[in-house]
Amino acid sequence: GAGVSQSPSNKVTEKGKDVELRCDPISGHTALYWYRQSLGQGLEFLIYFQGNSAPDKSGLPSDRFSAERTGGSVSTLTIQRTQQEDSAVYLCASSLRTSGRAAPRGEQYFGPGTRLTVT
Amino acid sequence: AQKITQTQPGMFVQEKEAVTLDCTYDTSDQSYGLFWYKQPSSGEMIFLIYQGSYDEQNATEGRYSLNFQKARKSANLVISASQLGDSAMYFCAMREFGGGNNRLAFGKGNQVVVIP
Repeated sequence: GAGVSQSPSNKVTEKGKDVELRCDPISGHTALYWYRQSLGQGLEFLIYFQGNSAPDKSGLPSDRFSAERTGGSVSTLTIQRTQQEDSAVYLCASSLRTSGRAAPRGEQYFGPGTRLTVT
Repeated sequence: AQKITQTQPGMFVQEKEAVTLDCTYDTSDQSYGLFWYKQPSSGEMIFLIYQGSYDEQNATEGRYSLNFQKARKSANLVISASQLGDSAMYFCAMREFGGGNNRLAFGKGNQVVVIP
């Protein structure tokens, strides 16, 4: 079946502009995650959606970052007034619903990422 | 505080040899899961193997196995019979189940280059 897809694959934008990054999760996956990966670094958690629950936004680095998930499927990550330090690869992942030890595994499947460059 | 530590420098491995990638973690939760992901130069993160904190057996998936030492809080990945396609960055990650937190905390990764 189809995996997680993200668009665009590359985005170059000028400092101060807004950008929108899109993620299509695997069909049937109710959990969706956004991560950011800066050059040579591990992944940094940004935000998590689970079904109709309120999202966990605790990883968003500033109020310039926001995300929404419409209809429990597609998600959009928006960065307003982009800064050069926002340059990174933004990765989206999805998983089946997990609930602690009842469904302990919940491995996340990642998309190919969007490489954002702010000039 | 850093939850996942991967400190090995880049590694060169001879094809068909085994390689061990170190990962130590820090948590006060009793219930957690440990994951290894592979990231080739194409950039996509590929799930490899999972170990639950309550699993008594070390996890194995094909050529991948996990040397889980709970008391030492280590979860080293062993890749047997290395192939050229194993050249990639490898990330260790942890999910703590307490409080319903589903995020993965990642280490900084280990670079592996397999040479013929």
